[in-house]
Amino acid sequence: EPEVTQTPSHQVTQMGQEVILRCVPISNHLYFYWYRQILGQKVEFLVSFYNNEISEKSEIFDDQFSVERPDGSNFTLKIRSTKLEDSAMYFCASSGGAQRDTQYFGPGTRLTVL
Amino acid sequence: GENVEQHPSTLSVQEGDSAVIKCTYSDSASNYFPWYKQELGKRPQLIIDIRSNVGEKKDQRIAVTLNKTAKHFSLHITETQPEDSAVYFCAASGQGGKLIFGQGTELSVKP
Repeated sequence: EPEVTQTPSHQVTQMGQEVILRCVPISNHLYFYWYRQILGQKVEFLVSFYNNEISEKSEIFDDQFSVERPDGSNFTLKIRSTKLEDSAMYFCASSGGAQRDTQYFGPGTRLTVL
Repeated sequence: GENVEQHPSTLSVQEGDSAVIKCTYSDSASNYFPWYKQELGKRPQLIIDIRSNVGEKKDQRIAVTLNKTAKHFSLHITETQPEDSAVYFCAASGQGGKLIFGQGTELSVKP
């Protein structure tokens, strides 16, 4: 069964550094999402992406964040200048096909900002 | 703004008992309500979902009910097993597709 994949599984970075988190959505899906989960808390929506543009973004997704689909398979989340409070698990999700609203999540990237 | 409230935050049951988790949502435009199971350090896994044109859906030991008038939906797990132990999240979404999650319920099934 196809799955969403993410790399790296764990990223450690210094405050102020740029990070890029990578995702490969399920191949026939057209809608892509990023969520984050601070340790012990609920999953929070960051951004949705369709047809090569952002569909919706949350208050968390400020100017330090950007998303890109650089080719036909990858979907990336960039944080330009990381802050301590960016430390979280970042999940990519995708949806599409017969059930457009059903989202499947990747395994996540644990981002630790020191 | 959009909000999903989930209760209880923790739930402990004996193996074989039933477990019920309840959620309420604020956005009346929400029309899709998935439930995810998350084991420690793992991805949220979709276990069941319901759409607004349906009041109840069942899949083996798992059922979900939806009351659109009251903006409530619930997850019912019957004949619980130790492997059901995990954190369960409800969520709601509207036309835009973004999921608004509840705070999660940590379910513990004691053998």
